[in-house]
Amino acid sequence: AQKITQTQPGMFVQEKEAVTLDCTYDTSDPSYGLFWYKQPSSGEMIFLIYQGSYDQQNATEGRYSLNFQKARKSANLVISASQLGDSAMYFCAMREGNQGGKLIFGQGTELSVKP
Amino acid sequence: DAGVIQSPRHEVTEMGQEVTLRCKPISGHDYLFWYRQTMMRGLELLIYFNNNVPIDDSGMPEDRFSAKMPNASFSTLKIQPSEPRDSAVYFCASSKQGLTEAFFGQGTRLTVV
Repeated sequence: AQKITQTQPGMFVQEKEAVTLDCTYDTSDPSYGLFWYKQPSSGEMIFLIYQGSYDQQNATEGRYSLNFQKARKSANLVISASQLGDSAMYFCAMREGNQGGKLIFGQGTELSVKP
Repeated sequence: DAGVIQSPRHEVTEMGQEVTLRCKPISGHDYLFWYRQTMMRGLELLIYFNNNVPIDDSGMPEDRFSAKMPNASFSTLKIQPSEPRDSAVYFCASSKQGLTEAFFGQGTRLTVV
């Protein structure tokens, strides 16, 4: 069964520093997608970045990059040059290709950016 | 595109009453998901549909919960009878076919008193 684990309930980072949010996953499906979402205090869920299991390169989107280590089954999110507006909950999610498209989420990590 | 639209945004109801949450997915999307978010349990997948057909409802907590998708542009999540422990934020999300991201609605904050 697919499973997503985020072991950091809360993280602090100094403004302008980089931060890494951890995510590990478990699946037996060779085809899957990994996603990161941001949920600010206002509550909406914002899609940030996607990594496919067959992608050779790590995904990047602006200040966000995904450190994909397939053998370790990890998909950590790296935020460079943190800004105060990055303070939010961050969720890792996974979707399996051969299981009808089910999308499940990890428990989330609350990131606080300090000025 | 207007995005995923959920209604109502807020709902306060008394225990025992029926509650219906509504969702309009993004046009052209094939998948629709219903999630419940609480502090204790995080973001739980309740049920999801592919081309209006329920694929997996194993996350539906009890028989009090039911979901329908009568057509490609509308879905409902119904709780009957509602209980205080059902208080949560309920999200609807939709996506295209394949390993693509899901887009979320603004959520419905349900309070059962």
